[in-house]
Amino acid sequence: NAGVTQTPKFRILKIGQSMTLQCTQDMNHNYMYWYRQDPGMGLKLIYYSVGAGITDKGEVPNGYNVSRSTTEDFPLRLELAAPSQTSVYFCASKGRQVDEKLFFGSGTQLSVL
Amino acid sequence: GENVEQHPSTLSVQEGDSAVIKCTYSDSASNYFPWYKQELGKRPQLIIDIRSNVGEKKDQRIAVTLNKTAKHFSLHITETQPEDSAVYFCAARDGRNTGKLIFGQGTTLQVKP
Repeated sequence: NAGVTQTPKFRILKIGQSMTLQCTQDMNHNYMYWYRQDPGMGLKLIYYSVGAGITDKGEVPNGYNVSRSTTEDFPLRLELAAPSQTSVYFCASKGRQVDEKLFFGSGTQLSVL
Repeated sequence: GENVEQHPSTLSVQEGDSAVIKCTYSDSASNYFPWYKQELGKRPQLIIDIRSNVGEKKDQRIAVTLNKTAKHFSLHITETQPEDSAVYFCAARDGRNTGKLIFGQGTTLQVKP
């Protein structure tokens, strides 16, 4: 099993550009999450999904969009990149039991210049 | 929504000493409280968790205590070792059982040899 796979690992964007961070998991997990981690800071929840076709906002959703058309994939879209979106982005998933541990991807380092 | 506060933000101890990290949460309905460890440049990994029907849980040198009345929980690491140096995050699950997991700001633990 590959677990949770995120691509790309690194990306530099110019202000106003758009991009999609990809996340896929092969564990048949219902729950998927996107967090951002600013330098020296905690993990802030951007969006999460409890299953295919269902998404909901987290703590810091502004400037982002998500979709969950399949159980495996949960892409995160940045439409108009801003310097404030410079961060490390982690995708995570967990199983049906709501208190099972999160499996994190390896992260995407994004810089917006 | 849920809010999780974590203290201290940094903690430095001598090898062999104990370390304590404290968290408070706002949602009295929250019922699941995990702790994650993140080594430099790595993804967060679950180290221990506790459910609201339990007051204390121990796993070798790591223990977690929960006070539901006061809405706070703590991580205790005994006989610290240099490899315990990392960032530690507490988290609380939304009390509505949505699977939404909110993290604290993190504590950077340094264990000096």
